[in-house]
Amino acid sequence: DADVTQTPRNRITKTGKRIMLECSQTKGHDRMYWYRQDPGLGLRLIYYSFDVKDINKGEISDGYSVSRQAQAKFSLSLESAIPNQTALYFCATSDPGTGNEQYFGPGTRLTVT
Amino acid sequence: AQSVTQLGSHVSVSEGALVLLRCNYSSSVPPYLFWYVQYPNQGLQLLLKYTSAATLVKGINGFEAEFKKSETSFHLTKPSAHMSDAAEYFCAVSEGSASKIIFGSGTRLSIRP
Repeated sequence: DADVTQTPRNRITKTGKRIMLECSQTKGHDRMYWYRQDPGLGLRLIYYSFDVKDINKGEISDGYSVSRQAQAKFSLSLESAIPNQTALYFCATSDPGTGNEQYFGPGTRLTVT
Repeated sequence: AQSVTQLGSHVSVSEGALVLLRCNYSSSVPPYLFWYVQYPNQGLQLLLKYTSAATLVKGINGFEAEFKKSETSFHLTKPSAHMSDAAEYFCAVSEGSASKIIFGSGTRLSIRP
């Protein structure tokens, strides 16, 4: 079984709708991340959490919120989706002992129409 | 703050030819350096990492990278390209366990038959 899972894998939604992307991990890591991938821009950090009580904004947090429900679960919400939030979203965990080496989920492809 | 630059958004080589993907970094402390690979419709997986041990790092699938402090580089190489190497490659840098990891914008590698 995969160490980092994301649901849904694909989602099409309309402008203005609220949507939640979920991430679960079985690696036992405290640290979790949400990234967004757009062609030519690489991965950009949306939010990250170094433990259950810690939530931090990344470089592109506007329009997004997160919830860390447990060590193993980290959800990303778009309160009112807009078309320029169409992208591939990745959840990741990391091991601080190796410079925060990242372990990625399979990604969620989100389309906002 | 750390940063990473990947030179060339797209590299094309013939099957059997040398693969060279360039990465330069900036860091105020000895860095951790990573190369990740993303195959079509998949998440990112670790190819190799530098954590201040040997400067020449060997990874999966015949790839290796050399840490050159004087040139602030961590270029990825493979002596002989295979069709299955076609993917997007990301270089990343971290300044340690208290630091986030920063990704480059990616290089898409194409292999010509």
